[in-house]
Amino acid sequence: GEDVEQSLFLSVREGDSSVINCTYTDSSSTYLYWYKQEPGAGLQLLTYIFSNMDMKQDQRLTVLLNKKDKHLSLRIADTQTGDSAIYFCAESKGGYNKLIFGAGTRLAVHP
Amino acid sequence: GAVVSQHPSWVICKSGTSVKIECRSLDFQATTMFWYRQFPKQSLMLMATSNEGSKATYEQGVEKDKFLINHASLTLSTLTVTSAHPEDSSFYICSAFRLAGEGSNEQFFGPGTRLTVL
Repeated sequence: GEDVEQSLFLSVREGDSSVINCTYTDSSSTYLYWYKQEPGAGLQLLTYIFSNMDMKQDQRLTVLLNKKDKHLSLRIADTQTGDSAIYFCAESKGGYNKLIFGAGTRLAVHP
Repeated sequence: GAVVSQHPSWVICKSGTSVKIECRSLDFQATTMFWYRQFPKQSLMLMATSNEGSKATYEQGVEKDKFLINHASLTLSTLTVTSAHPEDSSFYICSAFRLAGEGSNEQFFGPGTRLTVL
């Protein structure tokens, strides 16, 4: 079946690193994504990783993929107050296949 | 970058009326668009896949006669909530699929439409 799970809440201090975790069940997923949603807004694609990769880094963002354990993580270095949002991980088989979203992790950044 | 717009951004209507929501890809063509529904503090649930020039494919449990989808052009898809009821109140988000080359397969999301049915 298709299921994507995330912890619901994470609180970090400004300047620290944030790590948001996600597990998925469909081993045939081709692409794994991280989206950011700010209050009242749509989703913004932050980054994605192809299933044959282990790691991807993009400025302050680092994505780690453990395909054996079906575990995906997003690390945000030097977390800022502007990073406060809900972060969704999602999987798809690529092409025109639908995205399956996790429930979202609410990241709160405090001074 | 690729931009997707939605109109209206919010709407309040009376129970029993119909509401149309537009989703437009502004700077690219989208043969496939998706409609999602999001309840407060919950994830996005895919309602249907909208393909240009053909009938939409609805997810299990979504009433196609209640949520009418039309994808008449490569840049516009519409979702009409017919005979709306308070339980239809939600945040409706569309996305447009753009083939962006190897390794992307990216969906671009609209800003969402908040529907409140009184």
